[in-house]
Amino acid sequence: EVQLVESGGGLVQTGRSLRLSCVISGFNFDDHGMHWVRQTPEKGLEWVAGINWDGGSRDYTDSVKGRFTISRDNGKNSLYLQMNSLRVEDTALYYCVKDLHAGIYTMDVWGQGTTVIVSS
Amino acid sequence: DIQMTQSPSSLSASVGDRVTITCRASQNIYNYLNWYQQKLGTAPRLLIHSTSTLQTGVPSRFSGGGSETDFTLTISGLQPEDFATYFCQQTSSIPWTFGPGTKVE
Repeated sequence: EVQLVESGGGLVQTGRSLRLSCVISGFNFDDHGMHWVRQTPEKGLEWVAGINWDGGSRDYTDSVKGRFTISRDNGKNSLYLQMNSLRVEDTALYYCVKDLHAGIYTMDVWGQGTTVIVSS
Repeated sequence: DIQMTQSPSSLSASVGDRVTITCRASQNIYNYLNWYQQKLGTAPRLLIHSTSTLQTGVPSRFSGGGSETDFTLTISGLQPEDFATYFCQQTSSIPWTFGPGTKVE
């Protein structure tokens, strides 16, 4: 069974940092691209970042460029999101998501999410 | 960024009904359109990718169509487990963007 388990969320003040982690099981991690997607009641679903199977290609939504870094450790079956200079508008439920393929196009399996709350 | 809109924002339906949800992109996205289902308190689930390809395990009562800027998700014979919110998403141009959702209740 495919499983993605996020951790690392929490309450943090503006300007501070958090690192989200996602441990996967049930599939060959290094055959698939991965994503982070966030969701809020106000803004809905927002794709945050994606990384291809070997980490050689990464992309971000504009609002997090220069502040967030997506990375992966294929030896540890783990995906990460380093979030720096956090803003109130980064408050959301963050999902770790598996891609259907090696690239970053189609999100087929989602974790249950970890909540990030940024307070001023 | 490509803007995605959906209509209606919500709809009321009964078991057995045929339901159609529309998704529109602000520019041509060819067939790079996915549909997701989300039930309350759970993560989204991929239903259809590339406009019309049913994801493994998804019942055949779900179907997708369209091209360029206009797309549809149809549920033929609504089942009790189908009451949920449905999102479209484009993967034509980064950043990938989602529609605001259609709640089927």
